Amino acid sequence: AQSVTQLGSHVSVSEGALVLLRCNYSSSVPPYLFWYVQYPNQGLQLLLKYTSAATLVKGINGFEAEFKKSETSFHLTKPSAHMSDAAEYFCAVRGYHSSASKIIFGSGTRLSIRP
Amino acid sequence: GAGVSQSPRYKVAKRGQDVALRCDPISGHVSLFWYQQALGQGPEFLTYFQNEAQLDKSGLPSDRFFAERPEGSVSTLKIQRTQQEDSAVYLCASSLKAERAFFGPGTRLTVL
Repeated sequence: AQSVTQLGSHVSVSEGALVLLRCNYSSSVPPYLFWYVQYPNQGLQLLLKYTSAATLVKGINGFEAEFKKSETSFHLTKPSAHMSDAAEYFCAVRGYHSSASKIIFGSGTRLSIRP
Repeated sequence: GAGVSQSPRYKVAKRGQDVALRCDPISGHVSLFWYQQALGQGPEFLTYFQNEAQLDKSGLPSDRFFAERPEGSVSTLKIQRTQQEDSAVYLCASSLKAERAFFGPGTRLTVL
């Protein structure tokens, strides 16, 4: 069964510092992997996705993630945090071979930015 | 419309009341998903449709929850005899390809 584990329910960094949000997945085959962001009282917005085309994926707002099969990881990074990055971030996995498969979400990481 | 829409955006129900939540997916999207997101938690899968067929309802928490998509477009999630633990945000998503799902803004249900 597919699953994702997000390490750290809350991460706090200073403005301008590196952002690193951790995600490990469990899947028998390389899946689709996603990072979503959720701002307060808003829906989920796709940050980036891994679909096997490239292991380093660049997303919106300066975020990127690297798929590492050997570590079963898909960590999200941003070189320099901005106050507007404060939000909840969800890692998610979906089966590769069937468009019918459901998306499984991690429990989320709340990112806080210190001035 | 340009995206997935959901209505109502907010719903307050008295315990025991029935509610119906609507999802309008992106036109032409075959797949439609419902998720439940409790406060401070990640979205939890409820059910999935491909066109009008409900292919997976393994996440529905009880037989009080029922979803339909009779014509393969608009979907309704119905909750009968609501209970306080049903309070959550209910998210709908639609998808044409497995590599991208689009989420609606959600319906926040509060059961008093």
